[in-house]
Amino acid sequence: SQQGEEDPQALSIQEGENATMNCSYKTSINNLQWYRQNSGRGLVHLILIRSNEREKHSGRLRVTLDTSKKSSSLLITASRAADTASYFCATAPNQGGKLIFGQGTELSVKP
Amino acid sequence: EAQVTQNPRYLITVTGKKLTVTCSQNMNHEYMSWYRQDPGLGLRQIYYSMNVEVTDKGDVPEGYKVSRKEKRNFPLILESPSPNQTSLYFCASSHLPGQGAGEQYFGPGTRLTVT
Repeated sequence: SQQGEEDPQALSIQEGENATMNCSYKTSINNLQWYRQNSGRGLVHLILIRSNEREKHSGRLRVTLDTSKKSSSLLITASRAADTASYFCATAPNQGGKLIFGQGTELSVKP
Repeated sequence: EAQVTQNPRYLITVTGKKLTVTCSQNMNHEYMSWYRQDPGLGLRQIYYSMNVEVTDKGDVPEGYKVSRKEKRNFPLILESPSPNQTSLYFCASSHLPGQGAGEQYFGPGTRLTVT
């Protein structure tokens, strides 16, 4: 069952601008993860934020989590052309190893 | 190098001809999973395994089988492929999940076309 929904579905920006992607989900979670996928390739894990955390940073990435609104956002600062990819949020329920993926945001960063 | 490998990477086959997609990981992970990715539907879990000889259905298991005889390998079997199984398939692995799933490592994908 699909839980995460990303918004927007597609985003086009210029190099150097910031990119913000949002994810909403429906049920309680243990953690939320963001993945990146270059066209037709495997997904790469970016960052994991636990349900008791509100914000997390990794390099140019900043993730926030609002469990009261059941939403998360991924901010990529000072974007580069190499950031062009699809970005997926995935929610982890409280039990088991399941990850439920959203449909992704397609980010295009123009040089 | 820590990695998940899948073979073949590309496969075109005909309806009804049994096929196996192999998946292997070298990270000693207990948890392994298969997903399919289709436009507009995102990634959907087919089957998963928490450890050797332990497998369970995901969200879309119909038409697929798996086995986990060794920790490192988790093959996906299509006994009688049909055109609606044309998709991009990913294998993933992780350490045994605690109260929630951890970081998953993905293979490069297998693009399957069934005519």
